[in-house]
Amino acid sequence: QLQVQESGPGLVKPSETLSLTCTVSGGSITTSTSYWGWIRQPPGKGLEWIGSIYYTGSKYYNPSLRSRATISVDTSKNQFSLKLSSVTAADTAVYFCARGQMSEIGSYYFDYWGQGALVTVSS
Amino acid sequence: DIEMTQSPSTLSASVGDRVTITCRASQSIRTRLAWYQQKPGKAPKLLMHLASTLESGVPSRFSGSGSGTEFTLTISSLQPDDFATYYCQQYNSYSATFGQGTKVEIK
Repeated sequence: QLQVQESGPGLVKPSETLSLTCTVSGGSITTSTSYWGWIRQPPGKGLEWIGSIYYTGSKYYNPSLRSRATISVDTSKNQFSLKLSSVTAADTAVYFCARGQMSEIGSYYFDYWGQGALVTVSS
Repeated sequence: DIEMTQSPSTLSASVGDRVTITCRASQSIRTRLAWYQQKPGKAPKLLMHLASTLESGVPSRFSGSGSGTEFTLTISSLQPDDFATYYCQQYNSYSATFGQGTKVEIK
């Protein structure tokens, strides 16, 4: 059974960079039919897609976060990561990593989700 | 960017009721739509993809329909376990957008 699990600091200072890693177990991150994504959810609010990556390194970002978000993949460790720079209190959220199941090239829905990691931006 | 609009934002219903949630896309997404159920403190759970294809293990009281820009999620007979927040997500091309969510609460 595929599992994905987020890890990283739960507290980040304003203007600094948020860094999270997602570890994939029970399957390979290089599966040709999988994308790997980050989604966040501010407290009491809805879901916001941050971006996704394919194991070859092709990346796709939410236009509203493209200037600050960087997603990378490490196939040797079966992990992918998120960095979000210049964070403010508005970036406080539960951050989920998830597998994107490909419907066709560039088209995917999220079928396996991590439990989520709360990241608070505060001094 | 494709925007997704769900209605209503909140829905009050009783056990046994038939419930319908609507999701509209700002442009055609063919049938590239997924529905998720989320309970407090939990990750979203995928209910269906391609607008109407139910995931394994999801009860048959859930159904989806639509194509293009208008979609619906229907629960034929609401059960206690179904009180949750529901999200639609478009996945038409290289991006993903979620609706703002519909909270189904006990009447």
